[in-house]
Amino acid sequence: NAGVTQTPKFQVLKTGQSMTLQCAQDMNHNSMYWYRQDPGMGLRLIYYSASEGTTDKGEVPNGYNVSRLNKREFSLRLESAAPSQTSVYFCASSELAGGPGDTQYFGPGTRLTVL
Amino acid sequence: AQSVTQPDIHITVSEGASLELRCNYSYGATPYLFWYVQSPGQGLQLLLKYFSGDTLVQGIKGFEAEFKRSQSSFNLRKPSVHWSDAAEYFCAVGASRNFGNEKLTFGTGTRLTIIP
Repeated sequence: NAGVTQTPKFQVLKTGQSMTLQCAQDMNHNSMYWYRQDPGMGLRLIYYSASEGTTDKGEVPNGYNVSRLNKREFSLRLESAAPSQTSVYFCASSELAGGPGDTQYFGPGTRLTVL
Repeated sequence: AQSVTQPDIHITVSEGASLELRCNYSYGATPYLFWYVQSPGQGLQLLLKYFSGDTLVQGIKGFEAEFKRSQSSFNLRKPSVHWSDAAEYFCAVGASRNFGNEKLTFGTGTRLTIIP
């Protein structure tokens, strides 16, 4: 039981390049999330997927797209990377879509640098 | 909208000393509250959570937190810290029952340094 896994762990991009961050969970959770973490700002929600087949914007969705490929996998795509997207990206999952008992479990993160 | 304030950016304590990390929240209904810990280079690990019932919540690694509605606080405590507790700690307030625009909102974190 690996929990939440993310690939890659590190990535360096040039401005304008595209890439996809991968996330998978093996806990049979319904909901999945993408956050970014920046110094002094805590974690901010980019996109979430309450259940398979649905996705919604979070607090900071601009410049990103997501795909809920199946119940296990939730990917985050940067179509044209910008230096402002330099950050650490965390994927998380939870069993329920809001409400009591909805604890989020986090992956180890992807450290992305955009030059 | 919900919000979380962690007023202490950085705290230094001696090994064996007691610890209290502050967290204040703003939320219109009964909050769901969490404390997470992040070790260097790692993801976030849940320490404890409060949904309802007893306002003193016990967590892993000897941590506890007390929900005080009158003060809108959910402070994290440990009676005796260990060097391995050095990490960053995040308080978060959770989503309402309806999964809409209100979701898990994190504070900006408190970095804990332990000195021998």
